[in-house]
Amino acid sequence: AQSVTQPDIHITVSEGASLELRCNYSYGATPYLFWYVQSPGQGLQLLLKYFSGDTLVQGIKGFEAEFKRSQSSFNLRKPSVHWSDAAEYFCAGENSGGYQKVTFGIGTKLQVIP
Amino acid sequence: GAVVSQHPSWVICKSGTSVKIECRSLDFQATTMFWYRQFPKQSLMLMATSNEGSKATYEQGVEKDKFLINHASLTLSTLTVTSAHPEDSSFYICSASRAPGNQPQHFGDGTRLSIL
Repeated sequence: AQSVTQPDIHITVSEGASLELRCNYSYGATPYLFWYVQSPGQGLQLLLKYFSGDTLVQGIKGFEAEFKRSQSSFNLRKPSVHWSDAAEYFCAGENSGGYQKVTFGIGTKLQVIP
Repeated sequence: GAVVSQHPSWVICKSGTSVKIECRSLDFQATTMFWYRQFPKQSLMLMATSNEGSKATYEQGVEKDKFLINHASLTLSTLTVTSAHPEDSSFYICSASRAPGNQPQHFGDGTRLSIL
């Protein structure tokens, strides 16, 4: 069955520190992969996406993610975290081709301390 | 700007009431829309796939008579929570894909449903 796993439920980092949020996927073929961010009580905002091609993808707000087929991973990174980055982050996958349901990971809650 | 609009954004109603949530694609036609549910501090779980002009496809464990989905046009899908009870309180989010298919789905801002 298709699945997306986020091993870390809660991560705390200091403002200005680097960040890496882990995501692993299990699909029959390489899926489309996404990272979304959700602030409390709000909807989802797309940070970045991977469909094919360059395995290092750049997103909004200074985020990037690297697709590693050998590790079935799509980890999200940011070199320097800002207090406003505190939110819930969801990794998600979709079968390639589009028009498919999106499977979400359980989410990682990011806390940023001064 | 938003390309998928959900309405209402927040609704509070009494137990036993039926609640309708609308999901509109604003500037594109969507033959397929998706409805997700998110419980507090949990991830989004797909409830059903809404297909224009045909019956919705429900995920296992989702009661189709409880959560009625109507996709009567290429820009509108509705989710009706019938005879809602407190356990139906949740955050409901819809999404739609803009053609061609190899684009991220656009998500609505969600509807927070609170049943008293």
